[in-house]
Amino acid sequence: EAGVVQSPRYKIIEKKQPVAFWCNPISGHNTLYWYRQNLGQGPELLIRYENEEAVDDSQLPKDRFSAERLKGVDSTLKIQPAELGDSAVYLCASSQRAGGGETQYFGPGTRLLVL
Amino acid sequence: GQQLNQSPQSMFIQEGEDVSMNCTSSSIFNTWLWYKQDPGEGPVLLIALYKAGELTSNGRLTAQFGITRKDSFLNISASIPSDVGIYFCAGQPGIQGAQKLVFGQGTRLTINP
Repeated sequence: EAGVVQSPRYKIIEKKQPVAFWCNPISGHNTLYWYRQNLGQGPELLIRYENEEAVDDSQLPKDRFSAERLKGVDSTLKIQPAELGDSAVYLCASSQRAGGGETQYFGPGTRLLVL
Repeated sequence: GQQLNQSPQSMFIQEGEDVSMNCTSSSIFNTWLWYKQDPGEGPVLLIALYKAGELTSNGRLTAQFGITRKDSFLNISASIPSDVGIYFCAGQPGIQGAQKLVFGQGTRLTINP
């Protein structure tokens, strides 16, 4: 079974430029998550989708970040304009109910460097 | 917000030694998960715990869900070089359904040759 796919794996941009990340979740997983992981820290949730609906975006900086999950499968996370502090790893995860909880499986991440 | 305190932050051990790390919280979590992250990769699930008091093993790894629901530990027995990496605990606060994960700060494991 294919895992969570993310692209690009690496991205270097100048500040004030836009950037977009793409995620393809595991087939059949209805829930999709975007996390941001700063250097030396654990991941922090940005947004969670149930199918095509964003059910938790309380941690998403909405002035510059946006996300969409058209048709409830692939998702795109966008930053416009990027700032120096946005340099981080952006992780996508997906889950399907298992037992008493939802087990989340992570993609390899997109490493963003803003210069 | 909810936070997980993971310790130790780093460990330097000899190959073959046992490893123990833990995670504590001031609030209750209903699911505890342990992930390992290698450089340049996303976290990979090692063990999932769904019930207070649950003790689960996965090969040389053993993890327990604390009875108070506010802590969990992970043990690795007879460490080998491929155990090197960063280990994260993560908790889900709710009872059921999809939720966000709250992560600890990670434990960086280094094995001395």
